[in-house]
Amino acid sequence: LAKTTQPISMDSYEGQEVNITCSHNNIATNDYITWYQQFPSQGPRFIIQGYKTKVTNEVASLFIPADRKSSTLSLPRVSLSDTAVYYCLVGGRVKAAGNKLTFGGGTRVLVKP
Amino acid sequence: ETGVTQTPRHLVMGMTNKKSLKCEQHLGHNAMYWYKQSAKKPLELMFVYNFKEQTENNSVPSRFSPECPNSSHLFLHLHTLQPEDSALYLCASSQVGAGLAVYSYNEQFFGPGTRLTVL
Repeated sequence: LAKTTQPISMDSYEGQEVNITCSHNNIATNDYITWYQQFPSQGPRFIIQGYKTKVTNEVASLFIPADRKSSTLSLPRVSLSDTAVYYCLVGGRVKAAGNKLTFGGGTRVLVKP
Repeated sequence: ETGVTQTPRHLVMGMTNKKSLKCEQHLGHNAMYWYKQSAKKPLELMFVYNFKEQTENNSVPSRFSPECPNSSHLFLHLHTLQPEDSALYLCASSQVGAGLAVYSYNEQFFGPGTRLTVL
């Protein structure tokens, strides 16, 4: 499984855009990039997934360059409630034996007033 | 109830006790997972069940015993645990494609977790 590297923590202010970059140099051809969000004492929550270029949904955007060795999660205009740990995961579309997600240390994002 | 539920939310047990954690998913998924999250450590995948069959055991000690009676319920039976087993235990579910020839990757839906303290 591809290993990911992301910053341990980031601070931001309300209304700002937060960009978290994840490195995954040994990403495989079949691997997808997925981001999860986790609040304290809760389970992670799926945010966004992509394979290449750009993906956008109602909560975030995911930018993936052509070489796919990194990806950037962009959170537009964050609020205090976006304070959480954000995990970058890289994994393939695995066969029906079940998805196997490997979580790294995540990035702790603190949004200040 | 919607989503993935876990009971109990908090559990304190002695090292000689036997207890069970319960997970139920109301999403119609066919795969369920147990994860362990210790303080200041990444989530660790423990077990994977697909169509009620265990397909993954990540070298978990035998004092943790999973059970999946059907695709909606997952249990984690605990016995003779150690203090270092204290952690947040998370259950998740997802939908996977049927048949080994079908590749699918779908998001996992996590429950709120059980905070376990072993004294």
